[in-house]
Amino acid sequence: TQLLEQSPQFLSIQEGENLTVYCNSSSVFSSLQWYRQEPGEGPVLLVTVVTGGEVKKLKRLTFQFGDARKDSSLHITAAQPGDTGLYLCAGVRGSQGNLIFGKGTKLSVKP
Amino acid sequence: NAGVTQTPKFRVLKTGQSMTLLCAQDMNHEYMYWYRQDPGMGLRLIHYSVGEGTTAKGEVPDGYNVSRLKKQNFLLGLESAAPSQTSVYFCASSYFPARNGYTFGSGTRLTVV
Repeated sequence: TQLLEQSPQFLSIQEGENLTVYCNSSSVFSSLQWYRQEPGEGPVLLVTVVTGGEVKKLKRLTFQFGDARKDSSLHITAAQPGDTGLYLCAGVRGSQGNLIFGKGTKLSVKP
Repeated sequence: NAGVTQTPKFRVLKTGQSMTLLCAQDMNHEYMYWYRQDPGMGLRLIHYSVGEGTTAKGEVPDGYNVSRLKKQNFLLGLESAAPSQTSVYFCASSYFPARNGYTFGSGTRLTVV
């Protein structure tokens, strides 16, 4: 059973378009994190959201944590080719903070 | 500041051979992790450590062993490699996982033939 479901799995868009990636679960998480991974590299942390309903912005990226702390979304405005990569959400469970990762959304932004 | 360094970056093993993957971090992090990443399966936790001298099993520990003799190093061993262990292996470390997240290495691509 996959605790964190990400959708869509693949997304191919043109430069300048907007997009939203979703991360859903039936479980409650103490916090949720988003990572971006480029080919041949490890994931890099983008943001951590902690409070239900929290919204964080990172330049053209907007992250939202659901009120019930079971889901999250990542919205990218005016996507650029440099946004291309695998976007992973990860939920924090347990006192030791082990992360549970979704399978990721592979984004391709074409010039 | 090197962060998390994994060695080697690539390796090809024959079935039944053994090897050790080395992970080193220079950030004085207490927590360290080993994940494997496979197409369609995502990142799966193999073993982790919450401090020097401690280790614990993750989601997919079978066929792997680990050691954390020094705080900065976390070793992943394969005693008898199998083709099912062909994967990309990532090490990560953290100071405060729930808030600060993980710092990942760049991975080791292992092929078992």
